[in-house]
Amino acid sequence: GQQVMQIPQYQHVQEGEDFTTYCNSSTTLSNIQWYKQRPGGHPVFLIQLVKSGEVKKQKRLTFQFGEAKKNSSLHITATQTTDVGTYFCAGPRNQFYFGTGTSLTVIP
Amino acid sequence: NAGVTQTPKFQVLKTGQSMTLQCAQDMNHEYMSWYRQDPGMGLRLIHYSVGAGITDQGEVPNGYNVSRSTTEDFPLRLLSAAPSQTSVYFCASRGQNNQPQHFGDGTRLSIL
Repeated sequence: GQQVMQIPQYQHVQEGEDFTTYCNSSTTLSNIQWYKQRPGGHPVFLIQLVKSGEVKKQKRLTFQFGEAKKNSSLHITATQTTDVGTYFCAGPRNQFYFGTGTSLTVIP
Repeated sequence: NAGVTQTPKFQVLKTGQSMTLQCAQDMNHEYMSWYRQDPGMGLRLIHYSVGAGITDQGEVPNGYNVSRSTTEDFPLRLLSAAPSQTSVYFCASRGQNNQPQHFGDGTRLSIL
């Protein structure tokens, strides 16, 4: 089965609201990657987290890696219509296994 | 650089037919993978390869074969297509040490 689980599966927000997706693993991860997939497109790499408790920011996006390296989150501040898409986390085993993804809809 | 190239982009098959989905990368990446994407299921790993001549199974390998005769190419074969294999298929490649994955544009496959 899936190595990592993501919640929520779907999220609808009004433009300007914040959004958070959570990624949880039953095992400790050496690192975690986040990807974004626009509707009709392919996944595109956003960021990689490696250290316990690590926090990284990309403009309005904030990524966190849990202290136990079993969970991670992506927070978007003041969503825009360009944020629409599905966000995936991926954790490595012998190859990368993806979470179920969170589909974000932004209502103008 | 073209990156990861997948062909065809769309395909319709009848149950029982066989076909090969092509994937090629020009980044000299050692690692290549095939994923399928179905609604609500995320991306599920079918097969992967850590180098030429080496392949291994992922989460959902049944009904699919792969080979890796060169670093550049990693074709995915459907031996006898079934409606349950209707999906979007993505090929990805990456370098060593957990480098980011680069994805192709996908193949949208329908099996009637």
